[in-house]
Amino acid sequence: DSGVTQTPKHLITATGQRVTLRCSPRSGDLSVYWYQQSLDQGLQFLIQYYNGEERAKGNILERFSAQQFPDLHSELNLSSLELGDSALYFCASSVVGGGYGYTFGSGTRLTVV
Amino acid sequence: GESVGLHLPTLSVQEGDNSIINCAYSNSASDYFIWYKQESGKGPQFIIDIRSNMDKRQGQRVTVLLNKTVKHLSLQIAATQPGDSAVYFCAENKNGGSQGNLIFGKGTKLSVKP
Repeated sequence: DSGVTQTPKHLITATGQRVTLRCSPRSGDLSVYWYQQSLDQGLQFLIQYYNGEERAKGNILERFSAQQFPDLHSELNLSSLELGDSALYFCASSVVGGGYGYTFGSGTRLTVV
Repeated sequence: GESVGLHLPTLSVQEGDNSIINCAYSNSASDYFIWYKQESGKGPQFIIDIRSNMDKRQGQRVTVLLNKTVKHLSLQIAATQPGDSAVYFCAENKNGGSQGNLIFGKGTKLSVKP
């Protein structure tokens, strides 16, 4: 157990729907990062939050949004889902912001049908 | 495209042999590099990291080498075991410092033959 908790582990939904993925960082970590991993692809950085504020954006679609709450957990909202959004979505956390060693959760596998 | 890439998508080695996984990066401002191991169905797991002021760092059975001149990073695994079979990702802190975030390469799949 890495200490980073992601729920749900699996999610199957239809095209056009909206889903919310949840992440609880390791105790004491202030920064949360979201990554998307498609089949045969590497980890694509989506967005980073640090202590409740957006810190950096990567290749995140406009249909996707995220937020970090006062208790530091984060949610990634995916709307108007398309078949191509099927992927593993990982959350990672770190004590400080910046690109230093992250601890990853076990991911949410999203399947859009 | 990504600034971090891998030379080989797959690597097959015999159990007990040493493995070398290579990675190229293009951003000279990157000040931190890290290797992750991802087993099937799991999240990436930290293996070893190195800062740009170092050329080499050793861990347990693993060594990371950094060649800033040619912007090359490698992971060496000694006495490779079946449990080492996984996908290995290198990543760089692209912008450096506290404003950076980790950018990952596409990964190399390591298969260990018994």
